[in-house]
Amino acid sequence: GAVVSQHPSRVICKSGTSVKIECRSLDFQATTMFWYRQFPKKSLMLMATSNEGSKATYEQGVEKDKFLINHASLTLSTLTVTSAHPEDSSFYICSALTGVTEAFFGQGTRLTVV
Amino acid sequence: GQNIDQPTEMTATEGAIVQINCTYQTSGFNGLFWYQQHAGEAPTFLSYNVLDGLEEKGRFSSFLSRSKGYSYLLLKELQMKDSASYLCAVKDSNYQLIWGAGTKLIIKP
Repeated sequence: GAVVSQHPSRVICKSGTSVKIECRSLDFQATTMFWYRQFPKKSLMLMATSNEGSKATYEQGVEKDKFLINHASLTLSTLTVTSAHPEDSSFYICSALTGVTEAFFGQGTRLTVV
Repeated sequence: GQNIDQPTEMTATEGAIVQINCTYQTSGFNGLFWYQQHAGEAPTFLSYNVLDGLEEKGRFSSFLSRSKGYSYLLLKELQMKDSASYLCAVKDSNYQLIWGAGTKLIIKP
């Protein structure tokens, strides 16, 4: 199946710093990528939809100035958590659409803000 | 509002069969997905149903009834590695995925 690579898998950063998470589709072009956040023992929460070449569409309640999304090419989308706070600590997952039927997920990034 | 319901937790025995149900109420329907998620890992795709009926894929099968807003995931010949959370998700009329909270499946020897 299609492969989506997410990097880094784990990151620890200090409060106030910024962290960039990359999501790459390795063997297909993804015009649409999704960014999710998952709290422990909870379901996936969609943060934003990233479309190549245009601005991301953010879900209600997600701060677009805090969670910067850039989908610069058909194979790469990035999520930057700016001025990170401890409450931003979470598991962040990206996914990429192949056609309209399947979404393949990256490995996820566990972010810890200390 | 949009809602997806699935049991929080189920327990089954190695080698047995288990059925995980999912009921949904969404604005429109453009397909239902099942994903498997091991603790600390991202979900992996299991199945996709858009028409009524049963889709079989090895040990896993998924069933859909659109008129009833109902689906189930059937796992046969359970193995210890099947212990995971199973997520049901529906694509609504805007092609947005609506996620269930997941069912934690515990397999006992």
